[in-house]
Amino acid sequence: DAKTTQPPSMDCAEGRAANLPCNHSTISGNEYVYWYRQIHSQGPQYIIHGLKNNETNEMASLIITEDRKSSTLILPHATLRDTAVYYCIVRPRRGTSNTGKLIFGQGTTLQVKP
Amino acid sequence: SAVISQKPSRDICQRGTSLTIQCQVDSQVTMMFWYRQQPGQSLTLIATANQGSEATYESGFVIDKFPISRPNLTFSTLTVSNMSPEDSSIYLCSVSRDRATEAFFGQGTRLTVV
Repeated sequence: DAKTTQPPSMDCAEGRAANLPCNHSTISGNEYVYWYRQIHSQGPQYIIHGLKNNETNEMASLIITEDRKSSTLILPHATLRDTAVYYCIVRPRRGTSNTGKLIFGQGTTLQVKP
Repeated sequence: SAVISQKPSRDICQRGTSLTIQCQVDSQVTMMFWYRQQPGQSLTLIATANQGSEATYESGFVIDKFPISRPNLTFSTLTVSNMSPEDSSIYLCSVSRDRATEAFFGQGTRLTVV
């Protein structure tokens, strides 16, 4: 079963920041938080991942709370092309529990509107 | 990132027949996975394709229905056997260099069984 909880849908105005929350209250110290998105009719696309520090790349920023029980993916200037289903996934980083698998929940459908 | 080629991209098949889907990666990878995405649903992991040995199947998936081959570090096949309309889904290949790095996805094979 997925270890994360996300709102089923969100709207965002084009050009504004999109803030997508994820709850992972049972996360262990051995687990990373990964974000993927799936644009309609395409395979999932890797966005970003983090352990406990905030991370930023060319696509997005990831803010992880100090207790690591929740995180927020930030798309700083959303465009219509960011309309997609966004998945937050926890994944072990090492050890016997690290099988490399990604277990997907239902994700958040982000609709960016003009 | 890895470049993943899946073939065919889509197919329409008669019930009772089988379809083999190919996944080719442009570089050697340790981990290869197969997922199914039923209409309107999230991704479900079918199995981990192991090089040189039998695949590791998730609960609810069996080798007789979804035989998988992985002859080397860049190629894998998934066969959907004795198909029924309930097998109509998108089938996706995913790869990662190792268990600790991000996974990448192919564009999927859209299968319709009539």
